[in-house]
Amino acid sequence: GIQVEQSPPDLILQEGANSTLRCNFSDSVNNLQWFHQNPWGQLINLFYIPSGTKQNGRLSATTVATERYSLLYISSSQTTDSGVYFCAVVPPSGNNDMRFGAGTRLTVKP
Amino acid sequence: DADVTQTPRNRITKTGKRIMLECSQTKGHDRMYWYRQDPGLGLRLIYYSFDVKDINKGEISDGYSVSRQAQAKFSLSLESAIPNQTALYFCATSDPWTAGIQETQYFGPGTRLLVL
Repeated sequence: GIQVEQSPPDLILQEGANSTLRCNFSDSVNNLQWFHQNPWGQLINLFYIPSGTKQNGRLSATTVATERYSLLYISSSQTTDSGVYFCAVVPPSGNNDMRFGAGTRLTVKP
Repeated sequence: DADVTQTPRNRITKTGKRIMLECSQTKGHDRMYWYRQDPGLGLRLIYYSFDVKDINKGEISDGYSVSRQAQAKFSLSLESAIPNQTALYFCATSDPWTAGIQETQYFGPGTRLLVL
C-alpha cells in the first residue's frame, strides 16, 4: 500500500518562529489533507490540498503531486499551534481509504 | 452543535466484554468511517460505509464489527475486548457529491477506550 512519511517527527519552536513540515508519499493520490490534533485529541481539518497552494491566515500548504510531497508552513507560531500535525492521503483506488502519516509533534514555547 | 458526535467520549472496560461505540452525524453525508489511533501513531482505518447497505473492511478490521443503522448513524462493536484494543477511536464522514471523488473527511471528537 501507499506509504506516507512525515518529517521532522518532533519540532520545538520559540513563539514567533516560522516552520515547515513535510509529507512525502509513495504513489499518486486523489486526496491529501492536513490535520491538526490539539492536546485534547481533537482532529481539526486544516487543508484539503491534492495539488497547488492554499493559505489560511498564518498557515499555508503546497502540494507538488508530480513529485509526491506536500509542505505545511506555519508562520509567526503561537503556543496554541502546539499539537500533532498529520498528513493523510487517499490513493486512486476509489475507496477513499485514507492513509495517515505518523505525524509531526510541534511544541511552541512562550 | 457538533456535526459529528461520538458516544461515549471515554470508556473503561474489562477483557472479554462486548462494547459498542456510537457515531452520529448531522452533515447529511453518505460516507462514514471508523479509525483507531494508537499513541505516537497516525490513524488507521477499521471499517467504512458508503451508504446504509454498504460495509467495507479497512486496514485493521479483525476483532471489530460495524452496523450502519441509518445514514446518520454508524456503530463500532468490539465483540470481546482485549487490552491491545486500547486506543483513541475516531468516526469520520465525507460526501462525494460536493467535489466529485475528491472529498474531505470530517472527524468526530474521538472516544478514548481503555481495556483492562
